[in-house]
Amino acid sequence: EAGVAQSPRYKIIEKRQSVAFWCNPISGHATLYWYQQILGQGPKLLIQFQNNGVVDDSQLPKDRFSAERLKGVDSTLKIQPAKLEDSAVYLCASSRGLADSYEQYFGPGTRLTVT
Amino acid sequence: AQSVAQPEDQVNVAEGNPLTVKCTYSVSGNPYLFWYVQYPNRGLQFLLKYITGDNLVKGSYGFEAEFNKSQTSFHLKKPSALVSDSALYFCAVRDYGGSQGNLIFGKGTKLSVKP
Repeated sequence: EAGVAQSPRYKIIEKRQSVAFWCNPISGHATLYWYQQILGQGPKLLIQFQNNGVVDDSQLPKDRFSAERLKGVDSTLKIQPAKLEDSAVYLCASSRGLADSYEQYFGPGTRLTVT
Repeated sequence: AQSVAQPEDQVNVAEGNPLTVKCTYSVSGNPYLFWYVQYPNRGLQFLLKYITGDNLVKGSYGFEAEFNKSQTSFHLKKPSALVSDSALYFCAVRDYGGSQGNLIFGKGTKLSVKP
């Protein structure tokens, strides 16, 4: 089966600009996650969707980050405006459902550099 | 709060030698523990998990992990390392505090296997 797809793979922007990342999960996976992985750290969950509803966004900086999964399949994560500390790899992952939330499949990530 | 610790930033092993990557955990209930591997420019890949049962868990690529409740450890092991095992390894624990049991990752350990 095809894996989790993400685009773009790399993005360089200046601070205060906006950026958007796209994710297409594995077909049939109801649960989708966005993680932020800062260099030298493990991934940190930003937001979790179950179909098109938000399950957990407690660690999402809502003043600048937003995410949506309108049709319960693809998802976009947006940052507006970006700060230097947003430089990180943004990982998208999916799982079959909430009961399988611990067995997640990850995409290759988008490496964001904010200058 | 649930957490995992990976005390070593890097582990160096000669090819053919056994390897161990350490992980300790802190949880308030029964631990669900996981190992993921990240190759350069690729997303995280699931290696193995411990939920219940035998303390020795076998996973992908010849890896195994030993759950030790008294030492609150879940070390990753392989009897004979390959150069291709060189990667970043993450230990993770299920977050009981999260709304749907998401994963909390350690900071990662870089494994370097030399020929």
